[in-house]
Parts: sequence; C-alpha cells; structure tokens
Amino acid sequence: EADIYQTPRYLVIGTGKKITLECSQTMGHDKMYWYQQDPGMELHLIHYSYGVNSTEKGDLSSESTVSRIRTEHFPLTLESARPSHTSQYLCASSEEGLTVTGYTFGSGTRLTVV
Amino acid sequence: GDSVTQMEGPVTLSEEAFLTINCTYTATGYPSLFWYVQYPGEGLQLLLKATKADDKGSNKGFEATYRKETTSFHLEKGSVQVSDSAVYFCALSDRAGFQKLVFGTGTRLLVSP
Repeated sequence: EADIYQTPRYLVIGTGKKITLECSQTMGHDKMYWYQQDPGMELHLIHYSYGVNSTEKGDLSSESTVSRIRTEHFPLTLESARPSHTSQYLCASSEEGLTVTGYTFGSGTRLTVV
Repeated sequence: GDSVTQMEGPVTLSEEAFLTINCTYTATGYPSLFWYVQYPGEGLQLLLKATKADDKGSNKGFEATYRKETTSFHLEKGSVQVSDSAVYFCALSDRAGFQKLVFGTGTRLLVSP
C-alpha cells in the first residue's frame, strides 16, 4: 500500500549535534510539507516543496533546512541541534488536486534535544 | 488570510455520549473542508472531507456538513467510544498560491468508560 514513511520515530540527541530527519513517500506526489507540532498540539508549517529542486520556507521561521533531490524523498536537517528544537516533526504529501484529496501524513518523528 | 477556528478542549465525555466539536472558517472563495484525527503518538489521518456547500462528509460514524451560510463544518458523532479519544483538527484548503491546508489548533477528546 502506498504510504509516507518517517524515520526515526523517536530521537534523543545532545546539543550541537547535526541531525537529519528522513521522509519518503511512494505515491509519486509532487507536493511535500514539513510541520512542527508543539506540545499544545498546534501545527506550524516550516517547509514545503512544489517538486524536485523546489523548496520554500513555511509560515514559522525554522533553523532547519530541507532538500528535494528526488520526488519521493524530502529530508529535514538541523546543523546544530538545540533544546528549543525539541518537538514532534510531521511530514506530509499531497497530489495535485489538494482541494479534493487533502494531505497524507507520516507517523512523525519525536525529537528531544538534551 | 484564510483561517480556521475550533472550540477549545479538552472535551470530556462518557462512552456512548453525543459528540459535537465546533469548527468555523474564514476564507475567500469556496474552499474544501477536512477533519483530521491524531491518535496518541501518531501522525494525522484524514477522517472526512467535503468539497462544496451542503456536502456531508462521513466516516466511522463521524459526520460533518459544509454550511456556507454559517461558514461552519462541525464534527458530530452519535455515540462515542473510548477508542475515539484523540485530537481532532479541522482544516480548509487555501485555494490561493500553493494551495496549502490551513489547520485549526486542534481539539482533544477524552472518552471515559
């Protein structure tokens, strides 16, 4: 079954480390998104992509960066993790007809920076 | 810009009670409307959707009707179960620009036996 996968599910890492959160989808969707979800549940869009070699910053400023070299892959990187980066990160994708289909979400990565 | 307003939670109910979670929106044009559910430790799952006025979305006993006149998309279920305990997000499609989904802040539902 086509799906969207995020790894790792949980990550505890020390301050200053570089990390990459992986997101892959098998549906051939052109549009992909990264959301940061705070403990109060609210979702904040931090990055999105129209397709290969296209990335844009979202509504919430983030120190993370993303890349889109392949359609199916949309990794998020933090060059130097800090405790303020502790959060749940959700990846999503959508096909062209967003108004009808909405997003498909991955299971998320819960990041803790100590 | 477009926005979604949800009732604040948590909503606490006993099993078999009737559920309503209010959602109202502000949008230019005619957006599509969605309800997503997030179970503990998981990502969001699409629960139901409606693409035009007076459409009713339904799934797993949940229903919501797209009311253009009141700009609302309230989620209802006649008899909740403990397994319905989750966070529910209302969302609309932003038809301008990139067509991103605009989410409400989420409503936590707690159902006790």
